[in-house]
Amino acid sequence: QVQLQESGPGLVEPSETLSLTCAVSGGSISSDNWWNWFRQPPGKGLEWIGEIHHGGTTHYTPSLKGRVTISVDMSQNQFSLRLTSITAADTAVYYCARNALRGYYADYWGQGTLVTVSS
Amino acid sequence: QSALTQPASVSGSPGQSITISCTGTSSDVGVYNYVSWYQQHPGKAPKLMIYDVSNRPSGVSNRFSGSKSGNTASLTISGLQAEDEAEYYCISYTNSNSYVFGTGTKVSVL
Repeated sequence: QVQLQESGPGLVEPSETLSLTCAVSGGSISSDNWWNWFRQPPGKGLEWIGEIHHGGTTHYTPSLKGRVTISVDMSQNQFSLRLTSITAADTAVYYCARNALRGYYADYWGQGTLVTVSS
Repeated sequence: QSALTQPASVSGSPGQSITISCTGTSSDVGVYNYVSWYQQHPGKAPKLMIYDVSNRPSGVSNRFSGSKSGNTASLTISGLQAEDEAEYYCISYTNSNSYVFGTGTKVSVL
């Protein structure tokens, strides 16, 4: 059973950089799956942030391009999210998830981690 | 890239059937059969209910079904139960190698 666990600071100051990590267990980050980040502002809908394949190919949502970087660390079996120049609008629960093999849907999700942007 | 359009809320009595629509464009829903649906209870992570328009993952009740016509996908819940009360989101792959979510629909069981 694949499990994903997000980790990172729960509070980040405006204009700083948000960094989160997703640890994968029960499966290998080197598999042929794509690995995703999503987010959900309090009381609002879900947003797809981007995805990465272990080979390094990434895709990002157009609205965050230029601010977002997703990377993979195969030695630690984890992948990470980096979002720069953050504002209060980036306050959200951030989820990591795995796409099904050769699929276009996320079948395993982390529990989510709340990141609040505030000084 | 605009969000897919879903009704804000849908309600039904126990045992009834309801349908949630998800309207996109010829750049997403209309061109790919890569629409999935997620159920989300408050404070919980989304749960996959339907993938590739109409496929049900193992363990999901057969009361949930999906379909698509043109630029609109639909999720039908038959035999509505109290436990189905939740927020539902559709999501589609797009022609720019990205994904776009629907606006979300709150399902209430009367």
